[in-house]
Amino acid sequence: DIQMTQSPSSLSASVGDRVTITCRASQAISSYLAWYQQKPGKIPKLLIYAASTLQSGVPSRFSGSGSGTDFTLTISSLQPEDVATYYCQNYNSVPRTFGQGTKVEIK
Amino acid sequence: QLVESGGDLVQPGGSLRLSCAASGFTFSNFWMSWVRQAPGKGLEWVANIKQDGGEKNYVDSVKGRFTISRDNAENSLYLQMNSLRAEDTAVYYCARGGRYFDPWGQGALVTVSS
Repeated sequence: DIQMTQSPSSLSASVGDRVTITCRASQAISSYLAWYQQKPGKIPKLLIYAASTLQSGVPSRFSGSGSGTDFTLTISSLQPEDVATYYCQNYNSVPRTFGQGTKVEIK
Repeated sequence: QLVESGGDLVQPGGSLRLSCAASGFTFSNFWMSWVRQAPGKGLEWVANIKQDGGEKNYVDSVKGRFTISRDNAENSLYLQMNSLRAEDTAVYYCARGGRYFDPWGQGALVTVSS
């Protein structure tokens, strides 16, 4: 199985800061990577698929990059409504696997 | 829209069947999946099923115990869970897609405890 490792596990940043979350796959997965946002008490929401394609309706301050084993989710200007846990997910192979999550808080 | 039902408290070794009613899209055109989240934990993919039900995949921890199925005439997805264990306790989400998942249902809580 492909293991997905996110870093950091949590972060605290100020409103307006640029925030970067990293996801590393245990083997190459091309661009078969998705990112999700889960706000406290809410269901997960798809942000990005194919490593860098923004899902319809997602604010443009979110962006994704990477291929192979190393991927990044960037929030260009952190907003209060971005407080959430973010997960990466591999879909190169079965089983589909998620990272452990990165909790983003406002400083 | 995806709406799960069937979550409950069940004893270890017991069985439960989850259902997911889909609306607002052509259900028969999409792979479908189940993803679970244990209390306070991260997301874990459980299973997926092809449009015609002809291909199914499972995470190793549920193989031989869980069965995913669908009824395209009823726009419904199911998860039959047998030989339940404490570690199966989680919110189970139904989600559209077999690769990445969008949208997700509100979830059904399954608690396995004596």
